[in-house]
Amino acid sequence: GAVVSQHPSRVICKSGTSVKIECRSLDFQATTMFWYRQFPKQSLMLMATSNEGSKATYEQGVEKDKFLINHASLTLSTLTVTSAHPEDSSFYICSARNPGQNTGELFFGEGSRLTVL
Amino acid sequence: GDSVTQMEGPVTLSEEAFLTINCTYTATGYPSLFWYVQYPGEGLQLLLKATKADDKGSNKGFEATYRKETTSFHLEKGSVQVSDSAVYFCALNGGGSNYKLTFGKGTLLTVNP
Repeated sequence: GAVVSQHPSRVICKSGTSVKIECRSLDFQATTMFWYRQFPKQSLMLMATSNEGSKATYEQGVEKDKFLINHASLTLSTLTVTSAHPEDSSFYICSARNPGQNTGELFFGEGSRLTVL
Repeated sequence: GDSVTQMEGPVTLSEEAFLTINCTYTATGYPSLFWYVQYPGEGLQLLLKATKADDKGSNKGFEATYRKETTSFHLEKGSVQVSDSAVYFCALNGGGSNYKLTFGKGTLLTVNP
């Protein structure tokens, strides 16, 4: 099946620094990728839709300048958490749609645990 | 808009018990329905799916039937194992060009030996 990979799986950073998380589709070209944030008690929040070659579409309440998304190629989207603070600590998950499939299914990365000290 | 309501957990069962996790949805069109599973510390994996009414998705002993009349997609397994301990998410894709998934809040299942 289709594979989506995230890197890094865990990252610890100091408050005020920026952190980049990569999401790659390994065996298909993904024109659309999605970034989610998972809060305690497992709730998933869609942050933004990443579109290859154009600006990301952010959900209401998500700060564009805080969470920078770049989808520069058909296999890579990046999420940069700028000037991170402890409240940004969370589990971030990306997903991608395989254009070759028409079932509406999304393929998810393994997730990235961010801890801001 | 589209929404998914699933049974809130946590759910704790003994090994070999019967599992049901309820899921109901609202959607304006003809959605595809999914169950995803998240094992501790990992991302989400597709467990099963159904793309039209009366379809039954099945995988690893889990089943769910797309019921349009009751707008439901309940997850069932006849005999759970300790290794089934995970968070289960019901989700729908309402169609359209953006392919967004709408998720339920997730149900934590713990299976004890």
